[in-house]
Amino acid sequence: GAVVSQHPSRVICKSGTSVKIECRSLDFQATTMFWYRQFPKQSLMLMATSNEGSKATYEQGVEKDKFLINHASLTLSTLTVTSAHPEDSSFYICSSRDNAAQYFGPGTRLLVL
Amino acid sequence: KQEVTQIPAALSVPEGENLVLNCSFTDSAIYNLQWFRQDPGKGLTSLLLIQSSQREQTSGRLNASLDKSSGRSTLYIAASQPGDSATYLCAVGSGAGSYQLTFGKGTKLSVIP
Repeated sequence: GAVVSQHPSRVICKSGTSVKIECRSLDFQATTMFWYRQFPKQSLMLMATSNEGSKATYEQGVEKDKFLINHASLTLSTLTVTSAHPEDSSFYICSSRDNAAQYFGPGTRLLVL
Repeated sequence: KQEVTQIPAALSVPEGENLVLNCSFTDSAIYNLQWFRQDPGKGLTSLLLIQSSQREQTSGRLNASLDKSSGRSTLYIAASQPGDSATYLCAVGSGAGSYQLTFGKGTKLSVIP
């Protein structure tokens, strides 16, 4: 099956700093990528849909100015958490799709101190 | 708004037992339903994908059924093994192109050797 990678796998940062997470589709071109967030013992919640070459579509309640998404190529989407705060600590997972299914990355654990 | 519920939240069984995980959803207008496996701190591995027109899918020791009219799906695991220990997530695909996945909170399975 298709492979999606994420980098970094884990990041610890101080409150107020910005953190960038990369999501790459390794063996296929993804016109659409998705960003999810998962808090402990909670379900994955879709944050935004990232479309190559256009602006991302954010779900209700997700601040687009705080979670900046860039999808500049068919294989790379980035999520930048700006001015991170402890409540942003979570597990961030990206996925990309082809005609068959969605494929998920391994996730990035963010801890904001 | 689609809501997905998984019961039980956690399950512990001795090795070799057959078991059933349950998933229910509130809006029967779905495109597909997927079962995923998530290991601690890891991303998601797709196990089975059932299209809305299908009743079940099988892969090895796994069998997933779908009753769209009643809003239910089950994941049957035969002859459980310690390596099956993980959290199992049910996700319903709805909306145009089935790109919108709504996840349940998962069932944490522990198979005791």
